[in-house]
Amino acid sequence: DAGITQSPRYKITETGRQVTLMCHQTWSHSYMFWYRQDLGHGLRLIYYSAAADITDKGEVPDGYVVSRSKTENFPLTLESATRSQTSVYFCASSDRGETQYFGPGTRLLVL
Amino acid sequence: RKEVEQDPGPFNVPEGATVAFNCTYSNSASQSFFWYRQDCRKEPKLLMSVYSSGNEDGRFTAQLNRASQYISLLIRDSKLSDSATYLCVVNGNTGRRALTFGSGTRLQVQP
Repeated sequence: DAGITQSPRYKITETGRQVTLMCHQTWSHSYMFWYRQDLGHGLRLIYYSAAADITDKGEVPDGYVVSRSKTENFPLTLESATRSQTSVYFCASSDRGETQYFGPGTRLLVL
Repeated sequence: RKEVEQDPGPFNVPEGATVAFNCTYSNSASQSFFWYRQDCRKEPKLLMSVYSSGNEDGRFTAQLNRASQYISLLIRDSKLSDSATYLCVVNGNTGRRALTFGSGTRLQVQP
């Protein structure tokens, strides 16, 4: 039972490059979320999705794009990576939007 | 002012000690409250929900004070395995089902 997975787990990229972080869940949860975690800020919501083809901005959406064509997948794309986007990215899913289950995270370094 | 505020710690306690964490939240319309646990370089995991009447799960007791807008977590008989960061989490009832996380309180239980 894989639950929720993220790939890649580690990524190094350069400023200006496009990067896509993948998130896949096997529970058929309706809700999916992307957070970033930085020292001193805790987890901050980037984007979320209530169902396939329904997405909305969170607290820090600038520079990110999401899509959700299938219930189980919720990729996050950094259109043109910047150093300030160096962070740990967590994907989460939830059946009814309350208890959230997190993936293992992707550690992204932008040089 | 942050929406959810916690003392970052660290709290260094000996095994067997009782330790309490508090957190405050700013949105009086918040509906749901949780404590999550995060081990170093791992994803957050739900520890327990927090109910208005207070609730207990083994050695862990959570309390909610809506009038003062604070949440507490009490850990009795601390174990070495309790060493982690404890995240206070609030659902702000914004309709988007997203959670707002505190920055966390670090606990180190020492032998």
